[in-house]
Amino acid sequence: KAGVTQTPRYLIKTRGQQVTLSCSPISGHRSVSWYQQTPGQGLQFLFEYFSETQRNKGNFPGRFSGRQFSNSRSEMNVSTLELGDSALYLCASSSGGVAGGTTDTQYFGPGTRLTVL
Amino acid sequence: QKEVEQNSGPLSVPEGAIASLNCTYSDRGSQSFFWYRQYSGKSPELIMFIYSNGDKEDGRFTAQLNKASQYVSLLIRDSQPSDSATYLCAVTSMDSNYQLIWGAGTKLIIKP
Repeated sequence: KAGVTQTPRYLIKTRGQQVTLSCSPISGHRSVSWYQQTPGQGLQFLFEYFSETQRNKGNFPGRFSGRQFSNSRSEMNVSTLELGDSALYLCASSSGGVAGGTTDTQYFGPGTRLTVL
Repeated sequence: QKEVEQNSGPLSVPEGAIASLNCTYSDRGSQSFFWYRQYSGKSPELIMFIYSNGDKEDGRFTAQLNKASQYVSLLIRDSQPSDSATYLCAVTSMDSNYQLIWGAGTKLIIKP
């Protein structure tokens, strides 16, 4: 089974621009979560989509948004980029649904490294 | 606010010894518990999950869960330099709407 894929892998943008990142989950997975990780920091949760609906949301400003398509692929958008948005953006997929070990186990993609100049 | 706490380390362990990583959580209703390993600059990879009290073994790794005391630990036997990484603990429950709550991670260094 193919793993989680993220595109692009690397991105350089300037302040004020916007960016869209893409994530294709493992086949059959309906949940996609997005995380931001800056150097030396833990995973900061952005949001989670399950069956095209945002199920959970972290404490990020409205400049960060996302969506999920009917094939479970997800996109994340950041508008009006700031220097502090430079980070590794990680996408993780899971089956979603009932908590209990297997269905909520998240599998990560390789990440998109965003640099804002 | 649901929290997951880990000692940030670094935890330094001699090669061949047992590395013990600990994690405590605040939500008594937590149901699933995960350990991930993250190498510098890479994405987290799942080591194992546990959801019943007691021990679960997978090769050199053992996860231990104690729901009464609200802690979960990961033991790594016969530690190797390749085990040097940051270990992340994550917890989820129906109350969190299945959102994974993450610890900040413990940096483990295995010294040859």
